[in-house]
Amino acid sequence: QKEVEQNSGPLSVPEGAIASLNCTYSDRGSQSFFWYRQYSGKSPELIMSIYSNGDKEDGRFTAQLNKASQYVSLLIRDSQPSDSATYLCAVVGNSGNTPLVFGKGTRLSVIA
Amino acid sequence: NAGVTQTPKFQVLKTGQSMTLQCAQDMNHNSMYWYRQDPGMGLRLIYYSASEGTTDKGEVPNGYNVSRLNKREFSLRLESAAPSQTSVYFCASRRQEHTGELFFGEGSRLTVL
Repeated sequence: QKEVEQNSGPLSVPEGAIASLNCTYSDRGSQSFFWYRQYSGKSPELIMSIYSNGDKEDGRFTAQLNKASQYVSLLIRDSQPSDSATYLCAVVGNSGNTPLVFGKGTRLSVIA
Repeated sequence: NAGVTQTPKFQVLKTGQSMTLQCAQDMNHNSMYWYRQDPGMGLRLIYYSASEGTTDKGEVPNGYNVSRLNKREFSLRLESAAPSQTSVYFCASRRQEHTGELFFGEGSRLTVL
């Protein structure tokens, strides 16, 4: 059973701070990694994808991948109250058209 | 551009009733998926279809059936609903196999009494 683990939170950070969200995965052959944001009552929306080791930056968001440690993280700089949501980590294996496996999500609360 | 459209958005059933959740995408994606989301459980895959004419079980397929009617449409059927199937159901399609992101519908909230 391929697993994706996340701390369920809630993670509370003050406005303007850096929020750090972490995810570990069990399938060492995993190749593709995604971070989705889900507001309460809404569907998940993609905010970052990463496929190779290192950092990938997009605006206030940075995804970090370390395949040796089977670890992927999401940093949100200058956190805003509008960033308050549940963040879902998703992982794809390396064999053919493998579906995404999701973690249970981390609930982030940004305090104004 | 509609993206992924699910119907109905809300449904209340009695135990033992049957119903079908409909999903259609207009992005010409090959792969389509049905997930359910329960509090504290994240998104769990029920069934998926890698291409028109194929379907495969996911993590929690019991109590469900699916039909990939054509490339656009992928339906989920509950033959005899149970209270344990009370959940929010999301249909999704995938832009590109293996590396592509999922695009989600707005979700269908199902309550089984």
